[in-house]
Amino acid sequence: AQSVTQLGSHVSVSEGALVLLRCNYSSSVPPYLFWYVQYPNQGLQLLLKYTSAATLVKGINGFEAEFKKSETSFHLTKPSAHMSDAAEYFCAVSRNYGQNFVFGPGTRLSVLP
Amino acid sequence: DSGVTQTPKHLITATGQRVTLRCSPRSGDLSVYWYQQSLDQGLQFLIQYYNGEERAKGNILERFSAQQFPDLHSELNLSSLELGDSALYFCASNGGQMDTEAFFGQGTRLTVV
Repeated sequence: AQSVTQLGSHVSVSEGALVLLRCNYSSSVPPYLFWYVQYPNQGLQLLLKYTSAATLVKGINGFEAEFKKSETSFHLTKPSAHMSDAAEYFCAVSRNYGQNFVFGPGTRLSVLP
Repeated sequence: DSGVTQTPKHLITATGQRVTLRCSPRSGDLSVYWYQQSLDQGLQFLIQYYNGEERAKGNILERFSAQQFPDLHSELNLSSLELGDSALYFCASNGGQMDTEAFFGQGTRLTVV
C-alpha cells in the first residue's frame, strides 16, 4: 500500500526566506508524485507533478521539487517566500494513470513579515 | 477555476438525516474521485468512478454510497449522519486513462448538528 509522510505539520518562515516542505513516500512501484496547495476555504490546486521524466520539477508560483528515488523523497522548495504563499500544502502519490491519489497529512505554511 | 463544480457549497443538517452531494466533472473527464477532509483524518479517499463504473474504493463507510450517471456527473449520498461526519467533501476529476493529476472542486462543507 502506498503512503505519504510530511515532516512538520506547521512550518513558519520569514518573508524572503527559503521554503522547504518535506515529503517522503512509500510505494512498491515507481509512483507519480504531486504537490497540491489549498488556500483557506478553497479546493486543492496542483503546484507541480513528477511523472518519471525530469527529476527536478518546476511548478507554478516559483515552486520546485526534486524526486530522489534513493531517499523516497519529493521535497518542495521555493527560494524566497512571499506572504501569498501562506497556505496548506499536500504531497500526494498515485501508482499509475487513472489510479486514486493518496495524500499526506499536509503542512501548513506561515509566512512572517 | 478547475472546471469541477460541486453543489451545495455548505450544508447543515441534523444527526440521523440523509444528504446528497453533487459533483459535475470537467468537460470530457471520465473519472470522478470523492475525498473527505477532516481535521483529525486529513484527506481520505472515499471512492472513484470511471465512466459510470466503480473503479476503486477507499475508506468509505457503509452508510455512504455514490454513483456516476450517464452524463458523468456524480453524487455522494450520506445517510444516518453522525456528528463525526462533519467535514469538507471534495470531488476531483480527470481523464482517467492518460491524465496523471486530478482537478479538484471547491468542496462541500457538511456540518452535522
